[in-house]
Amino acid sequence: DAGITQSPRHKVTETGTPVTLRCHQTENHRYMYWYRQDPGHGLRLIHYSYGVKDTDKGEVSDGYSVSRSKTEDFLLTLESATSSQTSVYFCAISDPGTGGFYEQYFGPGTRLTVT
Amino acid sequence: KQEVTQIPAALSVPEGENLVLNCSFTDSAIYNLQWFRQDPGKGLTSLLLIQSSQREQTSGRLNASLDKSSGRSTLYIAASQPGDSATYLCAVSDSNYQLIWGAGTKLIIKP
Repeated sequence: DAGITQSPRHKVTETGTPVTLRCHQTENHRYMYWYRQDPGHGLRLIHYSYGVKDTDKGEVSDGYSVSRSKTEDFLLTLESATSSQTSVYFCAISDPGTGGFYEQYFGPGTRLTVT
Repeated sequence: KQEVTQIPAALSVPEGENLVLNCSFTDSAIYNLQWFRQDPGKGLTSLLLIQSSQREQTSGRLNASLDKSSGRSTLYIAASQPGDSATYLCAVSDSNYQLIWGAGTKLIIKP
């Protein structure tokens, strides 16, 4: 398994509070991604990073911000959590690899509940 | 806008059967296609990656095919086992190296 960890694995928080999720990799991969997974929607990209301090928005970025100050860490912040952000959050990594094809590898996920 | 569809949403078959899972996409301009497996409450495991120039990839009892012109991929599982029970997702890579996902097929293999 690719060396990807996510913390915390489970979190319950109240509406309006800030929340930060952490993704840590030991693979030195260039690209890192944050997804959310909800029933009926599959996986949706929130933000991704293509290098230290280089990030871009995904399909569902509203209400989320990210930071990447080191290759190995990618943080996802909910500035003011809402109930609609209750979801399972996955981090993924990728690198060109042989032939330049970006195969993605996933972390174990964080289950976030906003009450 | 690329859209990925997986049919059926759920499938239940007896152990030992060969089966096919389907994935279709609307825009043939893809870089690659990946099949993943997800067990309940767990993360995603990459099963196979097919490059846009390839027609198929094989790993053990799994074989994935790609027909870009028709916008279709199939995942063939031979001699299914109860341990194959999981949700299978396909995703296509666009020019920005992002993945666009199908909603998955939930597979149950009955002993």
